[in-house]
Amino acid sequence: NAGVMQNPRHLVRRRGQEARLRCSPMKGHSHVYWYRQLPEEGLKFMVYLQKENIIDESGMPKERFSAEFPKEGPSILRIQQVVRGDSAAYFCASSRQGEYEQYFGPGTRLTVT
Amino acid sequence: QQQVKQSPQSLIVQKGGISIINCAYENTAFDYFPWYQQFPGKGPALLIAIRPDVSEKKEGRFTISFNKSAKQFSLHIMDSQPGDSATYFCAASRSGYSTLTFGKGTMLLVSP
Repeated sequence: NAGVMQNPRHLVRRRGQEARLRCSPMKGHSHVYWYRQLPEEGLKFMVYLQKENIIDESGMPKERFSAEFPKEGPSILRIQQVVRGDSAAYFCASSRQGEYEQYFGPGTRLTVT
Repeated sequence: QQQVKQSPQSLIVQKGGISIINCAYENTAFDYFPWYQQFPGKGPALLIAIRPDVSEKKEGRFTISFNKSAKQFSLHIMDSQPGDSATYFCAASRSGYSTLTFGKGTMLLVSP
């Protein structure tokens, strides 16, 4: 059983460029969550999506960040015009409808130079 | 406002000893409390979780103790092994709102 898949695992962007992070949930999971982890910090919730629907984006910065989970294909977290403060590990998690358990992917480590 | 407070920040335990990590929460609406284990460069892995209708849950060497009145829960790792050396995160969520609120993590080192 494949787990949550994320790519790329490492991403380097220069200030002002765009970053696209992809997440494929576990088979049978219809809910996707994105979290950000800064060095020596816990994980902070960003956005919660179901297919074609954003359920909760209260943790996502209002500008430059967007997320989608299309009917076909992976969920995408998009960061426009990246700044050094965006450097972090971004984790995706997935869960089944109606279940609490969230399973995390290996993360994408974004470095902004 | 930090809704889930975790302590200690770091912990050193001898092989074979008991590791204890504590968490306290503020929101009484929380009703699901998981613990995650994270190794360097990896994603968090779900270790064990508890709901407030029980005071204790045990899976192998890992036990969660839950005190609803004190709004606290803890992770006990019995017979700690060097392979348990990792960062442990407690978290909480509530029904109808499944996003997780995490503690800041405890870095555990089990010395051989």
